[in-house]
Amino acid sequence: GAVVSQHPSRVICKSGTSVKIECRSLDFQATTMFWYRQFPKQSLMLMATSNEGSKATYEQGVEKDKFLINHASLTLSTLTVTSAHPEDSSFYICSARETANTYEQYFGPGTRLTVT
Amino acid sequence: QKEVEQNSGPLSVPEGAIASLNCTYSDRGSQSFFWYRQYSGKSPELIMSIYSNGDKEDGRFTAQLNKASQYVSLLIRDSQPSDSATYLCAVLPGYSTLTFGKGTMLLVSP
Repeated sequence: GAVVSQHPSRVICKSGTSVKIECRSLDFQATTMFWYRQFPKQSLMLMATSNEGSKATYEQGVEKDKFLINHASLTLSTLTVTSAHPEDSSFYICSARETANTYEQYFGPGTRLTVT
Repeated sequence: QKEVEQNSGPLSVPEGAIASLNCTYSDRGSQSFFWYRQYSGKSPELIMSIYSNGDKEDGRFTAQLNKASQYVSLLIRDSQPSDSATYLCAVLPGYSTLTFGKGTMLLVSP
């Protein structure tokens, strides 16, 4: 299957600071990437969908000014959590869709964010 | 409201048995169906995709799709303790965003 990388895998930051998470599709071009958040023992929650070269589409209830998404190329999307607070502590997972043939969607390994 | 329903489990099977995981979906326009495996604390891993009615086999895994009944299932043969995980059914209605079920926890006992 296709490979999606995510960096960093784990980050601890102080309240009020910003954190950037990178997501890369390593062996395929992804015109569409997705950002999810998952709290312990809960389901995946889609935060936003990003298409290369255009603004991200955010799900209802997700603050676009707090969670900045950039999808500047066919292989890279970034999520910046601005002015992070302890309640933003979660497991953030990116995903990329292979659109050439199958529409299969592959997930990165995730980033565990802890805000102190 | 597009919905994907799964029994939350846990589904407990002994090692070597067949595990059967089921999923129903509400959107008749759905064309693509996926099964993901998620270990605790890890991200989901795609294990099967199926697009046409019938069965699709890949190693110990068989996905079954019945669009008329809006039903998709995953069979795991010769279940191993390492198969213990949460299995997520996901449905793609057209060219849109995946709709996930809440997942079924599978426990395979040695």
